[in-house]
Amino acid sequence: EIVMTQSPATLSVSPGERATLSCRASQSVSDNLAWYQQKPGQAPRLLIYEASTRATGIPARFSGSGSGAEFTLTISSLQSEDFAVYYCQQYNNWPPWTFGQGTKVEIK
Amino acid sequence: QVQLVEPGGGVVQPGRSLRLSCAVSEFTFSTYGMHWVRQAPGKGLEWVASIWYDGSKKYYADSVKGRFTISRDNSKNTLYLQMNSLRAEDTAAYYCARDRGVVRGMGYFDYWGQETLVTVSS
Repeated sequence: EIVMTQSPATLSVSPGERATLSCRASQSVSDNLAWYQQKPGQAPRLLIYEASTRATGIPARFSGSGSGAEFTLTISSLQSEDFAVYYCQQYNNWPPWTFGQGTKVEIK
Repeated sequence: QVQLVEPGGGVVQPGRSLRLSCAVSEFTFSTYGMHWVRQAPGKGLEWVASIWYDGSKKYYADSVKGRFTISRDNSKNTLYLQMNSLRAEDTAAYYCARDRGVVRGMGYFDYWGQETLVTVSS
């Protein structure tokens, strides 16, 4: 089973600032990596797939990078609606599909 | 607009059973793999089970193998999760999700239903 590790657990950022979230896989997952956003009381929403491709309707301020075992989600200028929990997920070696433990982006 | 609607859920005693359903619309259900994912209170996301578009292949997390069964009725555009021998640790919000098959037939999850809450308690 591939273990996904996200850092930091919590990121405190001021609106308008840049946020950088990291995700590491215990072995290479190629570029088969997705990012999801989850707000309280809501279902997760797909942001990024194939490590760097934005899903339909996702603003350009969200970008993903990386391949192999190291990945980054960058939010270029945080908006109020971006404060949420973000999860990475690998879909290269399944089953199981595995998620990171999440990074909470909170208002500084 | 793709929709996944999950009625049901509820409170159930340990050892009892419960069936979740996920009714979909606005896409051709019979051509997509589907998943169930759960989230215990205050915790992260945990994949639970998956099924191929035609029901021919099914996969389960070790934590539910032998107790949960995923199935689908393509004529009714509905996904199911039969949960038997429920335990307190199965208490969670359960989500159904649509698959975008890109790696050996399955891949990431592009649309999710709203949560259905399952509480296992005596």
